[in-house]
Amino acid sequence: GAVVSQHPSWVICKSGTSVKIECRSLDFQATTMFWYRQFPKQSLMLMATSNEGSKATYEQGVEKDKFLINHASLTLSTLTVTSAHPEDSSFYICSARDVTGGQPQHFGDGTRLSIL
Amino acid sequence: RKEVEQDPGPFNVPEGATVAFNCTYSNSASQSFFWYRQDCRKEPKLLMSVYSSGNEDGRFTAQLNRASQYISLLIRDSKLSDSATYLCVVMGGSYIPTFGRGTSLIVHP
Repeated sequence: GAVVSQHPSWVICKSGTSVKIECRSLDFQATTMFWYRQFPKQSLMLMATSNEGSKATYEQGVEKDKFLINHASLTLSTLTVTSAHPEDSSFYICSARDVTGGQPQHFGDGTRLSIL
Repeated sequence: RKEVEQDPGPFNVPEGATVAFNCTYSNSASQSFFWYRQDCRKEPKLLMSVYSSGNEDGRFTAQLNRASQYISLLIRDSKLSDSATYLCVVMGGSYIPTFGRGTSLIVHP
């Protein structure tokens, strides 16, 4: 079935580092991908909607200059956390919707980001 | 009021028990409803869709009540492996899912 690959799965970095997370749809094309963030014991919160070939749409309260999203192809979206700080430590998950399938979303495995 | 609300639990039940979760949503225009399961430190996985007529998949039964704007999930004959967080997901016409914070289930021997 359809699979979404997310990389890396775990990152530990020093404060001030920029971190790039990749999200790939492996056997379907995704014109739209979503980026979520999940803090411990909290719900998945939508950060932004990534649109192939155009600018991402950010949710209220999410800094677009801090969380750079690039969706250069129909199978790849990237999220870059710029100048990460400890408060950015979280579980980041991407998802993609296969418009030909019945499942609402296919999720990547998630990236656990820890900023020291 | 949050768009999608769930009781976070935890629901602590013995093996074999029947347990039910509810989830309320605020947007009456919501069109699609789902239950996802999330294990600790893992990505959410689709458990089942929720249809207006109600639907069953093995030990799991999902119901939708549009008038009262809630969906439910019933788990019969609970197994240890059912221990997880169950996320309620609601979607409108934009196909952007909104997640509840999840209900934690712990099934003990």
